[in-house]
Amino acid sequence: RKEVEQDPGPFNVPEGATVAFNCTYSNSASQSFFWYRQDCRKEPKLLMSVYSSGNEDGRFTAQLNRASQYISLLIRDSKLSDSATYLCVVNKGNQGGKLIFGQGTELSVKP
Amino acid sequence: DGGITQSPKYLFRKEGQNVTLSCEQNLNHDAMYWYRQDPGQGLRLIYYSQIVNDFQKGDIAEGYSVSREKKESFPLTVTSAQKNPTAFYLCASSVPSGQGSDTQYFGPGTRLTVL
Repeated sequence: RKEVEQDPGPFNVPEGATVAFNCTYSNSASQSFFWYRQDCRKEPKLLMSVYSSGNEDGRFTAQLNRASQYISLLIRDSKLSDSATYLCVVNKGNQGGKLIFGQGTELSVKP
Repeated sequence: DGGITQSPKYLFRKEGQNVTLSCEQNLNHDAMYWYRQDPGQGLRLIYYSQIVNDFQKGDIAEGYSVSREKKESFPLTVTSAQKNPTAFYLCASSVPSGQGSDTQYFGPGTRLTVL
């Protein structure tokens, strides 16, 4: 079983759609959770950290379910500029700052 | 203007040659990391360093070497022993655990092609 597993893509959606990405992780000691965005042939950039209470940043909402070891990202009113690969990232718990990256879910927003 | 720089952006190398990728940061971060990314795959950790003059192997260290003589710099050498070196190499830095954040910030990457 992969340590971090994401929905396989790609997701092809029309502009204005709401899209949800799911991610599961296997290490119950993990304490930090993130969503990164990676544009084609570019470096990953932090989209948002994920907190236990859930958090929102504009059109983006992230949620964490520790009991089920599950993280989600919801994008509302999607824009063409949201097209990218979204990486679910989890820390290794008791192994310092080491992060584990999911393989990513590609999103393509069409006009 | 703080950030992480990597050079070169593109690098071509003949089989059997060693090559060194540069990574510099002026964020005053203690921890630095090297990853490789292959098409359609997630990032895999090669080496990491949580403090100057100390570093540890990641999940795929074979065929690579690093040094951490200065806080700002964490160069990666891809040796001829690395069997499949063609990949996108990403350097990152962070404030290490215990100081409030594991968030890692990435440089723009070096795309290495072995001919």
